Amino acid sequence: GAVVSQHPSRVICKSGTSVKIECRSLDFQATTMFWYRQFPKQSLMLMATSNEGSKATYEQGVEKDKFLINHASLTLSTLTVTSAHPEDSSFYICSARDTGGSEKLFFGSGTQLSVL
Amino acid sequence: DAKTTQPPSMDCAEGRAANLPCNHSTISGNEYVYWYRQIHSQGPQYIIHGLKNNETNEMASLIITEDRKSSTLILPHATLRDTAVYYCIVRSSGYSTLTFGKGTMLLVSP
Repeated sequence: GAVVSQHPSRVICKSGTSVKIECRSLDFQATTMFWYRQFPKQSLMLMATSNEGSKATYEQGVEKDKFLINHASLTLSTLTVTSAHPEDSSFYICSARDTGGSEKLFFGSGTQLSVL
Repeated sequence: DAKTTQPPSMDCAEGRAANLPCNHSTISGNEYVYWYRQIHSQGPQYIIHGLKNNETNEMASLIITEDRKSSTLILPHATLRDTAVYYCIVRSSGYSTLTFGKGTMLLVSP
């Protein structure tokens, strides 16, 4: 199946720093990518929808100035957590849909962010 | 998208079939039933999806009732590596994302 690569898989940072997470579709083009967040023992919660060449659409309660999303190409979307704080510690997961028409969404392996 | 109801947890012996139920009584005509699973600390993995007919692939079978109000995911010969949270999701065709519920934690034991 299609592969979505997410990097890094784990990051530890100090409070106040910014962290960038990359999401790449390796063998297909993705006009749309989605970013999720998952806290321990909870389900995935959609944060934002990333559209290539345009501004991302954020879910209610997600601060767009804190979670910066860039989708500059058909194979790459990035999520930057700006001025991270301990409460931002979470598992971040991206997904992408094959622009070629598949109904399936493919997921990255996730990024565990720990803010000290 | 329609909501789904799944049992919070299930147990299965290794080598036996695992049958995971899902209720989606408010499903509409253009909504598909998707199954994903999430092994601990990994991203969700696509398993199977269907609209009306039963479906089978190398991972599992999906049985959808005639009224489409419920479905069952069948792992024919569960292994320890099938231990995961299984999510049943209904989603309309097109470009919408997936809305995850709490899923079923399947524990496969020796």
